[in-house]
Amino acid sequence: SQQGEEDPQALSIQEGENATMNCSYKTSINNLQWYRQNSGRGLVHLILIRSNEREKHSGRLRVTLDTSKKSSSLLITASRAADTASYFCATDGNSNYQLIWGAGTKLIIKP
Amino acid sequence: DAGVTQSPTHLIKTRGQHVTLRCSPISGHKSVSWYQQVLGQGPQFIFQYYEKEERGRGNFPDRFSARQFPNYSSELNVNALLLGDSALYLCASSPGTSGVNEQFFGPGTRLTVL
Repeated sequence: SQQGEEDPQALSIQEGENATMNCSYKTSINNLQWYRQNSGRGLVHLILIRSNEREKHSGRLRVTLDTSKKSSSLLITASRAADTASYFCATDGNSNYQLIWGAGTKLIIKP
Repeated sequence: DAGVTQSPTHLIKTRGQHVTLRCSPISGHKSVSWYQQVLGQGPQFIFQYYEKEERGRGNFPDRFSARQFPNYSSELNVNALLLGDSALYLCASSPGTSGVNEQFFGPGTRLTVL
């Protein structure tokens, strides 16, 4: 079963604009992770945020976590064509061994 | 450093057959996880192995089995293949310390069952 649900399912924006994706999950967590998947580089880890953190930055990425609402958001600033990919959130669901994934947001950056 | 490698890249089987998929983790990583990803969906957890022991298993039938070798490489076996087993099978490795942290994924094996 899927733990997370990303919103929107698909997003198409112009290069240079910002892209925001949201993720909701169902159970308590130790951490939440965001991954990117495209045909060229496969599934790549972007950022991990722990349950006691509220915001984290990595380059053009900004992730927020609201454990009271069981939700997270991923912001990509100044988008580039190379950001075209599917983005997934994954949580550990308070487990020590598995990641539970959402269905992903498909992001298309138009030149 | 080499990343996670998986073999074969693609595989075509018929219903009822058996398949073995292989994974070599990043050097120094002791934990290997297997995921199934059906087109248009996120990955689904199948197994995690750490130090050659099964640490966790997802909601998959007993037709799915795996093992980890002393060099930390791993095999995923699927018996009595069904059409619904057609998917991308992903292997991920991690250092294997407590908790589920950053996973490093291989390119996957695309399995087609006819």
